[in-house]
Amino acid sequence: TQLLEQSPQFLSIQEGENLTVYCNSSSVFSSLQWYRQEPGEGPVLLVTVVTGGEVKKLKRLTFQFGDARKDSSLHITAAQPGDTGLYLCAGGGGGSYIPTFGRGTSLIVHP
Amino acid sequence: EAQVTQNPRYLITVTGKKLTVTCSQNMNHEYMSWYRQDPGLGLRQIYYSMNVEVTDKGDVPEGYKVSRKEKRNFPLILESPSPNQTSLYFCASKISTGGRRNSPLHFGNGTRLTVT
Repeated sequence: TQLLEQSPQFLSIQEGENLTVYCNSSSVFSSLQWYRQEPGEGPVLLVTVVTGGEVKKLKRLTFQFGDARKDSSLHITAAQPGDTGLYLCAGGGGGSYIPTFGRGTSLIVHP
Repeated sequence: EAQVTQNPRYLITVTGKKLTVTCSQNMNHEYMSWYRQDPGLGLRQIYYSMNVEVTDKGDVPEGYKVSRKEKRNFPLILESPSPNQTSLYFCASKISTGGRRNSPLHFGNGTRLTVT
């Protein structure tokens, strides 16, 4: 089983601050996805990155896939209370249709 | 509306009383999966199914059963629940045809199970 390590595990910040969440592995992934899970709901896909070095932006969120396709980061600019939730990365490798999930980063943004 | 529907949302039961959590998707997805989510442990896969009548164990299959008789339904069965199966359970589905292996997982809203 390919393992994905996410850091930090918990993050509590004030509205307007910037933050970065990391997702690391010793394995190479053919693609990596980021999901956000809000309380009482299932995870929802934010983005998929497939090319080493790829950068994708979703409003104030910036996602990057490492050049070697072993790691990824999620950067949030000027965090807002609506960004509160659990952020999960999930990697897919080779012919597998079965994504491997990291343990998640729990983010709380205080007004 | 495209969705994955789980029932029930909340369930409290006693040790040993068989229960079934239902999962249905209306997107004609081949792949379906069950996860449990526990604090500090993240999402752990219980069982998955690549298509009708094809099921495989995930990382934590002990104490669970599944079936895939129809494409849209993937029920999770606990024959003899125990307190260590108290958890938040999620069903998910995705298209799994080769050209779309990076397609997203669609999750249900979860079933919170308490076994006393």
